[in-house]
Amino acid sequence: LAKTTQPISMDSYEGQEVNITCSHNNIATNDYITWYQQFPSQGPRFIIQGYKTKVTNEVASLFIPADRKSSTLSLPRVSLSDTAVYYCLVGDMGSSASKIIFGSGTRLSIRP
Amino acid sequence: DVKVTQSSRYLVKRTGEKVFLECVQDMDHENMFWYRQDPGLGLRLIYFSYDVKMKEKGDIPEGYSVSREKKERFSLILESASTNQTSMYLCASSNGLATGGYGYTFGSGTRLTVV
Repeated sequence: LAKTTQPISMDSYEGQEVNITCSHNNIATNDYITWYQQFPSQGPRFIIQGYKTKVTNEVASLFIPADRKSSTLSLPRVSLSDTAVYYCLVGDMGSSASKIIFGSGTRLSIRP
Repeated sequence: DVKVTQSSRYLVKRTGEKVFLECVQDMDHENMFWYRQDPGLGLRLIYFSYDVKMKEKGDIPEGYSVSREKKERFSLILESASTNQTSMYLCASSNGLATGGYGYTFGSGTRLTVV
């Protein structure tokens, strides 16, 4: 199973673009890369998923290089409400034996 | 709005008690999961289920069991609660076609304290 490595914490300021990088050196061919956001006292919330290159939605962008050994979640123009823990997951639900592993996440703090 | 509902937000139980944590989803999802979350350890998978009456062990199944008699309900059972099971427990569900962690919906969690 592919393990992910993320920075434990990051700080930024309102209006800035924030990039959180995740390493997954052992990613398998069938694995997808998925990011979740978690606020205190709530369950994680799905943000974005990708397999390769770039994916963008209304919340974030996900950049995946050709070797897929890392990925970068990009949050444009963050606000105080983006303060949360962000989890990078790697996994494949195609097999009943597969499991999705959450790492320790990155605690993002946004300052005024 | 689709939901995953966990029966209790806070729970305090005594050591040795049998504890039931209930989770219900209204999205007709095939997959359901139980995680526990502890500071510095992230979310760790306890058990998951791909269908009614089916279950598979996650990373830390010791001391736990599960039951899925109906598609919408997934119960986590602590056979004999211990203080090291004090934690936040999170239930999640996903569509059977979900791939690689896509579109998990989580409940708000149950904070269990074993004294």
